[in-house]
Amino acid sequence: QSVLTQPPSVSGAPGQRVTISCAGTSSNIGAGFDVHWYQQFPGRAPKLLIYTDTNRPSGVPDRFSGSKSGTSASLAITGLQAEDEAIYYCQSYDRRLSAYVFGTGTEVTVL
Amino acid sequence: EVQLVQSGGGLVPPGGSLRLSCAASGFSFSTFWMTWLRQPPGKGPEWVANIKPDGSDTFYLESVQGRFTISRDNSQNSLYLQMNNLSPEDTAVYYCARIGPTGVVHWDYWGHGGLVTVSS
Repeated sequence: QSVLTQPPSVSGAPGQRVTISCAGTSSNIGAGFDVHWYQQFPGRAPKLLIYTDTNRPSGVPDRFSGSKSGTSASLAITGLQAEDEAIYYCQSYDRRLSAYVFGTGTEVTVL
Repeated sequence: EVQLVQSGGGLVPPGGSLRLSCAASGFSFSTFWMTWLRQPPGKGPEWVANIKPDGSDTFYLESVQGRFTISRDNSQNSLYLQMNNLSPEDTAVYYCARIGPTGVVHWDYWGHGGLVTVSS
C-alpha cells in the first residue's frame, strides 16, 4: 500500500486548469523530503515531469508546475490538452519505511 | 541520446530465478547511481534497489532484501538484477532507471521495461 495518497481521477475541458494533490505524512513529505512527479501513458515507462518539488526537466512544457506545503504537494496543469491524458504519480522518500515511495496515481481525463 | 535497453524478462515458476540486464548508452554510466523499479499489473511503480556509481553500495526494498541482488559492470555500461526465490507477488514490469544528477533520488531516464511473470 502506498503512503502517498492521490485522487483516483481528475478531469477538465481543453484549456482548463486542473490540480492533482499528493497527501503524505510527517515521515515523508512533512519531513522535508523532495517530491517528484511522473507522467505515464498505457504500456509505456513513466516519464519525469517535475523534480525537487518545482523544477521542470528540459523539454517539459511550462504548463506543468509543482508545489509543496506541509505534508502535501500538488501538480498543476494549465491549458489542459488532449495529449495530457495519462496517469500521474508523485514520488518521495519515507524515513519510516526507509524506501522511496510513489503515490497511488491519478488518471487525468480531458473532456 | 540517453538509452537504457533492457533484456531478460519472462515466465518463471515460484521459487525460480531470473536475471535482468540493462545496457546503458549516451551518458557516462560509471558516474551515475542506478535503480531497478517494478510495476505490478494495474498498480503504481515501486522502488526495488539502488546501486552506487562504483558498485560499492547497494540499497534494497525490504521485501526483496536477501532475494534480489543489484549489480553493475561499468566496463560494459551494464546494470543487472539477479532475482532468486521468486514468488507470484514479484510479478511486474521491471524497469531500470537512472537517478538524476542533482543528488536527490528521482529518475530522469527509464528503460522500456520487461515483464516478469511468476506462475506455475
